[in-house]
Amino acid sequence: KQEVTQIPAALSVPEGENLVLNCSFTDSAIYNLQWFRQDPGKGLTSLLLIQSSQREQTSGRLNASLDKSSGRSTLYIAASQPGDSATYLCAVYLYNFNKFYFGSGTKLNVKP
Amino acid sequence: DADVTQTPRNRITKTGKRIMLECSQTKGHDRMYWYRQDPGLGLRLIYYSFDVKDINKGEISDGYSVSRQAQAKFSLSLESAIPNQTALYFCATSDPRYPQPQYFGPGTRLLVL
Repeated sequence: KQEVTQIPAALSVPEGENLVLNCSFTDSAIYNLQWFRQDPGKGLTSLLLIQSSQREQTSGRLNASLDKSSGRSTLYIAASQPGDSATYLCAVYLYNFNKFYFGSGTKLNVKP
Repeated sequence: DADVTQTPRNRITKTGKRIMLECSQTKGHDRMYWYRQDPGLGLRLIYYSFDVKDINKGEISDGYSVSRQAQAKFSLSLESAIPNQTALYFCATSDPRYPQPQYFGPGTRLLVL
């Protein structure tokens, strides 16, 4: 069974700081890895999707990397802002099982 | 308009009641999913469907049932609600074509008393 772990569970940083969120997975035979943002009591908004053949994806101040051999992905947020405060979840898709597996998320608080 | 909608958005019910959560999508995707989210836990898969005639159990299907009425509609039922089914429920769709991103609805917050 695929296990997806996100560390830390919570993170508090001052505004303007660059930060890295981590996601690790046990089965490297993934089809893709997707990062989501979730605001309190709300749905999941897709931030970035990295295909299995890719090493990274960028969108604005966000950069996600993927290293399948080590079972790791990182989400880099540059120049953090209070509006970035949310829970960030990663999910991997295993083609052999036709399922997505989610981490429990990292709750980010960016202080003004 | 949102691509994936869920109704109701909030629901309070009593133990033993049967309730239905509904999901509709306009993305034209064949694949639809129901998840539940509990505080401190990731999303857990309840049921999924790859087309109208294909329904599959997820990791926590006990106490739930689903109906795929059409490509665009996928409903989740709690046959006899119990308090530990209190959670946030999400519907999602995915495009079967590579790289298969998922798209989520806004969620239904369910409280079982």
